[in-house]
Amino acid sequence: DAGVTQSPTHLIKTRGQQVTLRCSPKSGHDTVSWYQQALGQGPQFIFQYYEEEERQRGNFPDRFSGHQFPNYSSELNVNALLLGDSALYLCASTYPQTYEQYFGPGTRLTVT
Amino acid sequence: AQSVTQPDIHITVSEGASLELRCNYSYGATPYLFWYVQSPGQGLQLLLKYFSGDTLVQGIKGFEAEFKRSQSSFNLRKPSVHWSDAAEYFCAVGTPIYNNDMRFGAGTRLTVKP
Repeated sequence: DAGVTQSPTHLIKTRGQQVTLRCSPKSGHDTVSWYQQALGQGPQFIFQYYEEEERQRGNFPDRFSGHQFPNYSSELNVNALLLGDSALYLCASTYPQTYEQYFGPGTRLTVT
Repeated sequence: AQSVTQPDIHITVSEGASLELRCNYSYGATPYLFWYVQSPGQGLQLLLKYFSGDTLVQGIKGFEAEFKRSQSSFNLRKPSVHWSDAAEYFCAVGTPIYNNDMRFGAGTRLTVKP
């Protein structure tokens, strides 16, 4: 059983550009959450998707948006990139009606 | 909203010595508590969790944690540390709502001396 997968592994973008990160949840998991982890800090909750809708959102600007597809995979989009968006972006998935989140390896985004 | 404090940014222990990593939480009701480990460049791996019941919980890799409501703490322990335990450890607090978001502490970096 494959775990949570994310692509790409690494990404370098320039300020002002847009980026899309992708996540495939564990088999049977229907909820996907996205976290941003800046260097030396703990993960910060961005938003969560369930049934193709954003169910919860953390304290992140509208430049951060997402999508969930019918197969439960998800995308994170960030527009108008800032230097401060450089971070490890983690995706986590959850089995229906449970509390444990399983994390992928992350996508390292560098904005120059 | 729930929150977590990990008072120790960096801890160094000798291989074979015991380990305790501190975690304090803030939440108005019984929290759901987690410890995760992150090796360099990797995602987070769940070590153990507490939802209810026995306040001493066992996890993977020989780790255990004790929930103390009176102290709002959920400290992680291991009797004998191995060099492979060197990593970043995160405490997280969730709520008793299915699939709710979690709040993470800033992490404690563990260094293991030979």
